[in-house]
Amino acid sequence: AQKVTQAQTEISVVEKEDVTLDCVYETRDTTYYLFWYKQPPSGELVFLIRRNSFDEQNEISGRYSWNFQKSTSSFNFTITASQVVDSAVYFCALSGKRGSQGNLIFGKGTKLSVKP
Amino acid sequence: KAGVTQTPRYLIKTRGQQVTLSCSPISGHRSVSWYQQTPGQGLQFLFEYFSETQRNKGNFPGRFSGRQFSNSRSEMNVSTLELGDSALYLCASSLAQQGGMNTEAFFGQGTRLTVV
Repeated sequence: AQKVTQAQTEISVVEKEDVTLDCVYETRDTTYYLFWYKQPPSGELVFLIRRNSFDEQNEISGRYSWNFQKSTSSFNFTITASQVVDSAVYFCALSGKRGSQGNLIFGKGTKLSVKP
Repeated sequence: KAGVTQTPRYLIKTRGQQVTLSCSPISGHRSVSWYQQTPGQGLQFLFEYFSETQRNKGNFPGRFSGRQFSNSRSEMNVSTLELGDSALYLCASSLAQQGGMNTEAFFGQGTRLTVV
């Protein structure tokens, strides 16, 4: 069965601290996709990144970076020099079915609070 | 470019009633998925439509149904509402083509349904 685990329910940091959000996934598919989404208080999920199972290169986008390791089935997300605007719930998701955007399996989410 | 639009934003219904939620995807997107978000269960996949056909379905009872129109707009219907159906219902659209690569899903702000 497919599963996504985000062990950290809530994290609180002070502005400018670095923070890493953990994501561990389970799947028997050889081809799969991993995603991170941000959910601010307004409710909509904001897409952050997609990674396919054949691309283990780490990615950096501004203050955001992602570390994908197939050997440990992890896809961790780091925010460098956090800001108050980063406060939100972050979801890691797994999609196993090629061509189908449905069946996104979400983790329970990590609520990040960044204090000034 | 307009985003995903969900209507209404808020809804209060009585147990036993039925409800219809609407989702207008981003122009050009043919895949529409629906998710239910509750504090206890998190984000759960309901179903996905592509070109007016249901392509995937989650583990929800038959009281939950949906459809997609030729303009890709989608509706979701819940009949015989129960208290446990109170949730944020999120719609996502994507370019995902039949058999193609997973692309990112863009989410609407959701419809918050309260069943009393």
